[in-house]
Amino acid sequence: DADVTQTPRNRITKTGKRIMLECSQTKGHDRMYWYRQDPGLGLRLIYYSFDVKDINKGEISDGYSVSRQAQAKFSLSLESAIPNQTALYFCATSTTSGGETDTQYFGPGTRLTVL
Amino acid sequence: AQSVSQHNHHVILSEAASLELGCNYSYGGTVNLFWYVQYPGQHLQLLLKYFSGDPLVKGIKGFEAEFIKSKFSFNLRKPSVQWSDTAEYFCAVRNNRLAFGKGNQVVVIP
Repeated sequence: DADVTQTPRNRITKTGKRIMLECSQTKGHDRMYWYRQDPGLGLRLIYYSFDVKDINKGEISDGYSVSRQAQAKFSLSLESAIPNQTALYFCATSTTSGGETDTQYFGPGTRLTVL
Repeated sequence: AQSVSQHNHHVILSEAASLELGCNYSYGGTVNLFWYVQYPGQHLQLLLKYFSGDPLVKGIKGFEAEFIKSKFSFNLRKPSVQWSDTAEYFCAVRNNRLAFGKGNQVVVIP
């Protein structure tokens, strides 16, 4: 969905480096999410935020941190990247405002490789 | 904890064949149900969703899904697939949070 953008789209880095993945949305949604996708494992939730001052851990938050800089921006950081964090990372947004059904809409993904 | 099961991770079929992908979930309360599709190299797109009402839900591209509460199932179907349906399909269930199944990789042979 073009309303949800992620940068970078691809990144190769080395073990121990700090990496930040960024997500921006123009949908006006208040809720934002970070997932990682691994082959055969589906999508797993890393962190989610229901508003600017709200940050919640998902099922696999260890090794990650997030920042909700504004309603439209939600960044994911890997403080010290390790090879098993190699994955495809997706940002998603949703809302229940205005009668919306909280359906999540996904960004194009960031492919991260940690060497 | 809530879980979502998708069976037959890899499905290979010919064009015009019928497709059915199973999805079962473990949570017994009120749930919202979704099917997403991920075409090769692309992000997840919503195929269809069920919140309430008619348990037979019609989505985009000729897909439909049936919610059977007694079986905790939300199976996806398409009567006649096309080569362009080659993709990975994910079932997702929401109670408090959205939980995804591990996906079905579907390959349609022309």
